[in-house]
Amino acid sequence: NAGVTQTPKFQVLKTGQSMTLQCAQDMNHEYMSWYRQDPGMGLRLIHYSVGAGITDQGEVPNGYNVSRSTTEDFPLRLLSAAPSQTSVYFCASSSRRGTKTQYFGPGTRLLVL
Amino acid sequence: AQKITQTQPGMFVQEKEAVTLDCTYDTSDPSYGLFWYKQPSSGEMIFLIYQGSYDQQNATEGRYSLNFQKARKSANLVISASQLGDSAMYFCAMREGPPDYKLSFGAGTTVTVRA
Repeated sequence: NAGVTQTPKFQVLKTGQSMTLQCAQDMNHEYMSWYRQDPGMGLRLIHYSVGAGITDQGEVPNGYNVSRSTTEDFPLRLLSAAPSQTSVYFCASSSRRGTKTQYFGPGTRLLVL
Repeated sequence: AQKITQTQPGMFVQEKEAVTLDCTYDTSDPSYGLFWYKQPSSGEMIFLIYQGSYDQQNATEGRYSLNFQKARKSANLVISASQLGDSAMYFCAMREGPPDYKLSFGAGTTVTVRA
């Protein structure tokens, strides 16, 4: 049981490049979400999904796309990277009804030059 | 509008003493949950404690307790008998009700435990 996994752990991009941050969970959780963490601002919700085939925007969705074709996977796509997207990205999952615990992945540190 | 407010950017506490981290929240949803997470320098998010809006008693988990004052919309974390390993960033978070169960985080409080 791996929990929530994220790849890569660290990535450097040039402005304008695109990439996909991978997130997978093996707990059969319905709810998955992506957050970004910037210094002094806590975690901010980018996109979330309440089940396969269903996604919605969070607080800071601009510049990011998501899809949820399976229960296990919830990739986050940066369409055209900008320096403002330099951040640490966390993926999280939880079971239906948003139980006590949200399981977080280890994070992906992204640097956009 | 800010849903979770943590007004203490940083705090120092002496080893073995207790420390209280403040958190206030804003919601009109009658059903919600409040969380505290610890983020050490290694970066992972560690779940500490949970309080449901309908829970009558304050939550406790070992040295962590949550002082839940519903009328004041306050959910302060108390860490008793601080240890050096408690030095970390602490986040308060709120999960609002269905259908989305979105989680909103405060800006965090850095705790430094002194020997």
